[in-house]
Amino acid sequence: DVKVTQSSRYLVKRTGEKVFLECVQDMDHENMFWYRQDPGLGLRLIYFSYDVKMKEKGDIPEGYSVSREKKERFSLILESASTNQTSMYLCASSNIAAVGGTQYFGPGTRLLVL
Amino acid sequence: DAKTTQPPSMDCAEGRAANLPCNHSTISGNEYVYWYRQIHSQGPQYIIHGLKNNETNEMASLIITEDRKSSTLILPHATLRDTAVYYCIVRVGGSQGNLIFGKGTKLSVKP
Repeated sequence: DVKVTQSSRYLVKRTGEKVFLECVQDMDHENMFWYRQDPGLGLRLIYFSYDVKMKEKGDIPEGYSVSREKKERFSLILESASTNQTSMYLCASSNIAAVGGTQYFGPGTRLLVL
Repeated sequence: DAKTTQPPSMDCAEGRAANLPCNHSTISGNEYVYWYRQIHSQGPQYIIHGLKNNETNEMASLIITEDRKSSTLILPHATLRDTAVYYCIVRVGGSQGNLIFGKGTKLSVKP
């Protein structure tokens, strides 16, 4: 089974802190994604990556950056956390060769910025 | 915007079949129908997908109408652990982009 893990289930940070969210997948998938999920807004794509060292902006990249130095790891960085970045963050991966590119999600990280 | 329409909520008795409908009247010929679900406070979970033919796996069955404008996800013997929000999504096969989740259907399985 595909396994996508995220470094933390819950995080509490202060405004202005630099925050790192880590995601690791064990299925050698090419594609990795970072979403945030907020009540009433559904899932929104922040960034995604097709391959190592490659990244593409999603729908809401402002205030975020990403890093993909190894195929299995995709990091989301909040350079200076703000209260409006309080959210559930979800990482996903997919195999480009699979029909439709089914995405497999991690358990999520619930971030609270005070 | 999501290209699908789903009822906001449904109830189902434990042990009975849960039939979740989805309308996708503007679906294109190269778009697949995907179903995901999200149990409270967890990441979305892939269930099943199909193009034209009906599909079945260990979790569920997917019935797609002949005109492909609607589909039904069937959980044959619902359990309390199937209580979740179920999302129906259409997207082009092989596409690399993100999934667009609508509001989904909140399925409540009751004892």
